[in-house]
Amino acid sequence: DTGVSQDPRHKITKRGQNVTFRCDPISEHNRLYWYRQTLGQGPEFLTYFQNEAQLEKSRLLSDRFSAERPKGSFSTLEIQRTEQGDSAMYLCASSLGSGGVGLNEQFFGPGTRLTVL
Amino acid sequence: AQSVTQLGSHVSVSEGALVLLRCNYSSSVPPYLFWYVQYPNQGLQLLLKYTSAATLVKGINGFEAEFKKSETSFHLTKPSAHMSDAAEYFCAVSPIGGGGNKLTFGTGTQLKVEL
Repeated sequence: DTGVSQDPRHKITKRGQNVTFRCDPISEHNRLYWYRQTLGQGPEFLTYFQNEAQLEKSRLLSDRFSAERPKGSFSTLEIQRTEQGDSAMYLCASSLGSGGVGLNEQFFGPGTRLTVL
Repeated sequence: AQSVTQLGSHVSVSEGALVLLRCNYSSSVPPYLFWYVQYPNQGLQLLLKYTSAATLVKGINGFEAEFKKSETSFHLTKPSAHMSDAAEYFCAVSPIGGGGNKLTFGTGTQLKVEL
């Protein structure tokens, strides 16, 4: 088990372009989370999946953002028409989510740093 | 809504000195509480978690935290700082039994360890 992986690690794009990030969770984890972290702030929740179902979306997730987890394994986060305010670190985490205190630990990936010029 | 407040965005200690990072939470009922550490250009690593089993929680790398309901606090301590402890530390809260266990983080405390 190599942990949560994210690709790419860094992305530089021009304003108005679309970008897509990928997250591969720990294989047996059925929950997958996306967070956004801007400079000097803690991570902020964006959305999460239980298997392939997207169960909650933050109001931070505008209609330019879309996340999918089509087969309940990896997930993608797409940002359309990027804006400079989208520049941030995008973190993915996974966990076992079937209940029970000991199963709630979220394991984080290294993040994708997005810079919008 | 749940929230956490981390007092002190920057803390500096000498190597070998006590580390104390403060976290206060706001929640209508005691939540799950977590401390994470983040090294530059890396994701977050869990140091320890409070899940109502014991108020004094021991974590990795010699860190521990004490849950104090009366003070709504969950401060992180380490008796003797090491240079390798220099990093950013985040306190986080999660609802018990609902909300998908999503985490709400504080703004972080940057720990500097000096010789």
